[in-house]
Amino acid sequence: DSGVTQTPKHLITATGQRVTLRCSPRSGDLSVYWYQQSLDQGLQFLIQYYNGEERAKGNILERFSAQQFPDLHSELNLSSLELGDSALYFCASSVTGNEKLFFGSGTQLSVL
Amino acid sequence: DQQVKQNSPSLSVQEGRISILNCDYTNSMFDYFLWYKKYPAEGPTFLISISSIKDKNEDGRFTVFLNKSAKHLSLHIVPSQPGDSAVYFCAALSPGAGSYQLTFGKGTKLSVIP
Repeated sequence: DSGVTQTPKHLITATGQRVTLRCSPRSGDLSVYWYQQSLDQGLQFLIQYYNGEERAKGNILERFSAQQFPDLHSELNLSSLELGDSALYFCASSVTGNEKLFFGSGTQLSVL
Repeated sequence: DQQVKQNSPSLSVQEGRISILNCDYTNSMFDYFLWYKKYPAEGPTFLISISSIKDKNEDGRFTVFLNKSAKHLSLHIVPSQPGDSAVYFCAALSPGAGSYQLTFGKGTKLSVIP
């Protein structure tokens, strides 16, 4: 158990809908990362937050947004969903954002 | 454009033998490399890493080798055990303050046959 909690574990929705994925980092970790793993793809970095503020941005679509709350949990919002958004979404955390990451077990999103 | 490539999607090895997983990268700015292991229904877990100033790092049964001139690294597992069966991801890190943004390969699924 990495100490990073992601909910829900599975999510099935329809095209055009909006969903929210939630991540609770390890106790004491200030930085949260979001990664996407599509079928036959490696993990793609989406976005990083540190202590409530956006620190780095990767290949995140404009239809996606994220935030980190004062209690340090983070949410990834995916809107106007398309079939191609079906993927495994991982959250990871670290203490300061500049060292080894600990990953959650992921949220499997299926867009039908 | 894949900056980190794992060209073997899968690998099968007999228990007790050596497993060698390979990884190539294209970005010469990468200065730190990591291997993560992933079991089904779990997130990736850190396995071993190597800095670009070294050419070898060892941790128990796991050794990572780095050839900077060839932009190639490999993970050796000796001896391989059935519990090593998992997907292994190679990842690379660019220098930068305050961010541990990893670039991952697509992974190699290792099957260790008893």
